[in-house]
Amino acid sequence: GQQLNQSPQSMFIQEGEDVSMNCTSSSIFNTWLWYKQDPGEGPVLLIALYKAGELTSNGRLTAQFGITRKDSFLNISASIPSDVGIYFCAGRNNNNDMRFGAGTRLTVKP
Amino acid sequence: NAGVTQTPKFQVLKTGQSMTLQCAQDMNHNSMYWYRQDPGMGLRLIYYSASEGTTDKGEVPNGYNVSRLNKREFSLRLESAAPSQTSVYFCASKERTGGRTSGANVLTFGAGSRLTVL
Repeated sequence: GQQLNQSPQSMFIQEGEDVSMNCTSSSIFNTWLWYKQDPGEGPVLLIALYKAGELTSNGRLTAQFGITRKDSFLNISASIPSDVGIYFCAGRNNNNDMRFGAGTRLTVKP
Repeated sequence: NAGVTQTPKFQVLKTGQSMTLQCAQDMNHNSMYWYRQDPGMGLRLIYYSASEGTTDKGEVPNGYNVSRLNKREFSLRLESAAPSQTSVYFCASKERTGGRTSGANVLTFGAGSRLTVL
């Protein structure tokens, strides 16, 4: 099936730094989603993107739907300790199949 | 609001034992899903139910069965557990399967069930 390549696998940053992660695919998706998973919990939706080129913000988070429809990125500005967790990208294709990236594990040092 | 509730949260099984993971949602969603999460592999779809009365295989259905008991409940059964089924299992739901609205795209997840098969 379609694979999503998410990078980086992990990040160790200092509080206050900005973070960037991305997902790429060899196939086209018509929706991109970004989820965050806290330890011991299920993923929670952060941002949903529905149109190529769309740039959407949610507080300190900004995500973009790539023009080619094969990629998306998520930026977190001025990171804080509660940003710690695993971030997943997900893409939905025209067959309504949802695929997930392997996740980016973020550690924020105070 | 409870959202999606999964039980049990933790379970240890011996190879060959059977068990059922329960999932219930109180959001009146039509579609429900079971995923497994393994290190470095993201979430992989086991089975899903687009609407009450229907179930379909996902990417990794082998060794599992599901039952959509009613609109609220979707259970996952391991008939004869194997060590390869050691994983964290997530149930999820959304309003519908098709269409271009947020209801067709946004999954709400349960807190997960950590299963270890010895």
